[in-house]
Amino acid sequence: AQKVTQAQTEISVVEKEDVTLDCVYETRDTTYYLFWYKQPPSGELVFLIRRNSFDEQNEISGRYSWNFQKSTSSFNFTITASQVVDSAVYFCALRDSNYQLIWGAGTKLIIKP
Amino acid sequence: GAGVSQSPSNKVTEKGKDVELRCDPISGHTALYWYRQRLGQGLEFLIYFQGNSAPDKSGLPSDRFSAERTGESVSTLTIQRTQQEDSAVYLCASSLTGRTGTYEQYFGPGTRLTVT
Repeated sequence: AQKVTQAQTEISVVEKEDVTLDCVYETRDTTYYLFWYKQPPSGELVFLIRRNSFDEQNEISGRYSWNFQKSTSSFNFTITASQVVDSAVYFCALRDSNYQLIWGAGTKLIIKP
Repeated sequence: GAGVSQSPSNKVTEKGKDVELRCDPISGHTALYWYRQRLGQGLEFLIYFQGNSAPDKSGLPSDRFSAERTGESVSTLTIQRTQQEDSAVYLCASSLTGRTGTYEQYFGPGTRLTVT
């Protein structure tokens, strides 16, 4: 069965600290896609990144970076030098041979000034 | 270009009344999805449209829930005889394709439904 686990329900850090959000997934498919979405307090989900199962290269986009490791079925998300505007709920999601996205429960990230 | 829009943004209704929620996807997006998000929780899949047909309605929680899509565009989610447990934010998303594509879903702002 497909499953996405975000074990961290809530993380609170002080501004400028680095923070990593964990995502562990389960799937039997060899072809699948992983996503991260951000949901700020305004509520609208914002797409951050898509990674397919054949591309294990890590990606960096500004202060954001993603570490995809098939060996541990993990797709972790790191924010470097966090800012208050990064405060949001972050969701990890998996899409396999079906069309549905299987969502994690989300991690609430609080960045304190 | 315009993103996914949803209306109304907020809806307060009395228990037992019917409500209709509307979603306008991004133009050209063939796939459309409805989700429900209860306060402080993750997303719960409701239904998926590919074009105007809904190959998977398995997420609809009861027969009080129905959805349709016309013209491969607008979709409406109808909840009949609303109950208090229906209170949630209803999110709509669209993507370029659903079945085989890899395209990410783009979300609307949601409709916050409160059943009193």
